[in-house]
Amino acid sequence: EAEVAQSPRYKITEKSQAVAFWCDPISGHATLYWYRQILGQGPELLVQFQDESVVDDSQLPKDRFSAERLKGVDSTLKIQPAELGDSAMYLCASRHYPSGANYEQYFGPGTRLTVT
Amino acid sequence: QKEVEQNSGPLSVPEGAIASLNCTYSDRVSQSFFWYRQYSGKSPELIMSIYSNGDKEDGRFTAQLNKASQYVSLLIRDSQPSDSATYLCAVSGGSEKLVFGKGMKLTVNP
Repeated sequence: EAEVAQSPRYKITEKSQAVAFWCDPISGHATLYWYRQILGQGPELLVQFQDESVVDDSQLPKDRFSAERLKGVDSTLKIQPAELGDSAMYLCASRHYPSGANYEQYFGPGTRLTVT
Repeated sequence: QKEVEQNSGPLSVPEGAIASLNCTYSDRVSQSFFWYRQYSGKSPELIMSIYSNGDKEDGRFTAQLNKASQYVSLLIRDSQPSDSATYLCAVSGGSEKLVFGKGMKLTVNP
């Protein structure tokens, strides 16, 4: 069964350091999403890509976060410098597009980030 | 600000009972509705999607949608201890962006 791949699964970093997360969506899925989930909350969208283009990055803290999907396949999310408040689960999801009314998004296993 | 509200919970039911999870949403133009299951420390797993008013059944799960009342629910029949997880309601409008509720923690007691 096709799955979204993410790495690393866990990351511990000190504040002010740089950290990067990688995501490989389900093959053929043109739409890719990065979410952040704080413990006890639902996921919140950080950025949405359609192929290599950013569709929505309105909630991405652009002073420290960046995201790219250069060839329209895999994607990288970077934080520099990391802050204590960035500790969370970072989730990648993908969706096939176009697919009529099917807006189903499938999540990868996530990266648990702890900033010390 | 588009909002999705879930009962704060937690919800505890005995094994074999029906678990009922509820969700309301604020954006009237919302078109797509989803339930995700999330085990502790894991990522969300899609279990149900519903796009039109009425009921949709998949095994022990039934999703119910009432767009006039801006209400979506998930029923789990014959609840099993393996159903113990946090259930996330998610809603999508024309922008395809998913807005999630905070989740409801369900515990099924053997």
